[in-house]
This record gives sequence, structure tokens and C-alpha cells, in this order.
Amino acid sequence: AQSVTQPDIHITVSEGASLELRCNYSYGATPYLFWYVQSPGQGLQLLLKYFSGDTLVQGIKGFEAEFKRSQSSFNLRKPSVHWSDAAEYFCAVGRLTGTASKLTFGTGTRLQVTL
Amino acid sequence: DGGITQSPKYLFRKEGQNVTLSCEQNLNHDAMYWYRQDPGQGLRLIYYSQIVNDFQKGDIAEGYSVSREKKESFPLTVTSAQKNPTAFYLCASNSISTDTQYFGPGTRLTVL
Repeated sequence: AQSVTQPDIHITVSEGASLELRCNYSYGATPYLFWYVQSPGQGLQLLLKYFSGDTLVQGIKGFEAEFKRSQSSFNLRKPSVHWSDAAEYFCAVGRLTGTASKLTFGTGTRLQVTL
Repeated sequence: DGGITQSPKYLFRKEGQNVTLSCEQNLNHDAMYWYRQDPGQGLRLIYYSQIVNDFQKGDIAEGYSVSREKKESFPLTVTSAQKNPTAFYLCASNSISTDTQYFGPGTRLTVL
């Protein structure tokens, strides 16, 4: 069975500082990996995804993530955080079943940004 | 604009009542999903549907029912059998070509 671990429940960073959110996954084959962001009371917005190829993927809002197969990790990074990045971030691993993709989500990391 | 709509945004229900949450998409996506979100637990899959008139149970289907009579619509009914229905419910859809799920804005259900 696939699973995702986000070890940090809550992270606080200062505006302008760098950010790294950790994600570890368990999956028996090459995974599809995703990062989503959620503002309070809203739906999830896709930040980036990895299917294959280059292990460093770029996303929206200046985010990037690196797939490391040897460490079963897919950490999200941003070089300089803005106050508007405060939100909850979810890592997910997916697999195809027919025409559907079944996602397993981590429990999320809440990011607080101090000014 | 293309997207996924969910209604209502907030829903209150008395214990013992069934309630139906709406999810509509105009993205021409084949597959649709329902998730439940509780604080500190991430998202858990309730049901999903790959094509019209077909759907499969997810990880926490007990106390819920769905239908898929049209490609655009995937309503979720929370029945009185669901023991703890207060939660935030998210609908999603994806196309075969992108293998990526896109989410609606969610419905917050509160049982009084």
C-alpha cells in the first residue's frame, strides 16, 4: 500500500527566509508525486507534480521540489518566502487505476510566515 | 470559466437527516472523486467514479452514497448512518491525459 509522511505538522519562517517542507513516501513502483496548497476554508491548488524525467521540478509561485528515489523523498522548497505563502501544504502520491488516479495524501504541514 | 463547483459552501444538518452535496465540473474530465478532510488527518477518499453510471468505494465509504448519471455531476449523499459527518468535503476531477486531480472549493458540513 502506498503512504505519505509529512513529518512537520507546523513550520514557522520569517518572510524572505528559505523554506523546505519534507515529504517521504512509500510506494512499490515509480510514483506519481504531487504538492498541493490549501488556504483556510478553500480547496486544494496544485503547486507541482512529478511523473518522470528531470528529478527537479518547477511549480507555480516560485516553488520547486526534488524527487530523490534513494531517500523516498519529494521535498518542497522555496528560496524566499512571502507572507502570502502562509497556508497548509499537502504532499500526495498517486497511482493509476483504469482512468482514475488514486491519491494518498500526507497529513499536511501548516506554514506560518512572520513579518 | 472552466472549473469545479461545489454547493453549498456551508451546510447544517440535524442528526438523523440525509443531506446531499453537489459537485459539478465543466472540464470534460472522465474521473471524479469525493474526499473528506478532518483537522490533522489530511484527505481521505470516500468514493470515486471513472465513467458515467459507475463508481467505486474509497477508504471510508461507510455512511455515504454517490451517483454518476451525467459526466459533469457527481453528488454525494451523507446518510444518517454516517456516525461523525461533521467535516470539510472536497470534490475533485481529472482527465486521462493529465493524470492530475483538480479540486473544487469544498463544502463544510456541520451536524447540529
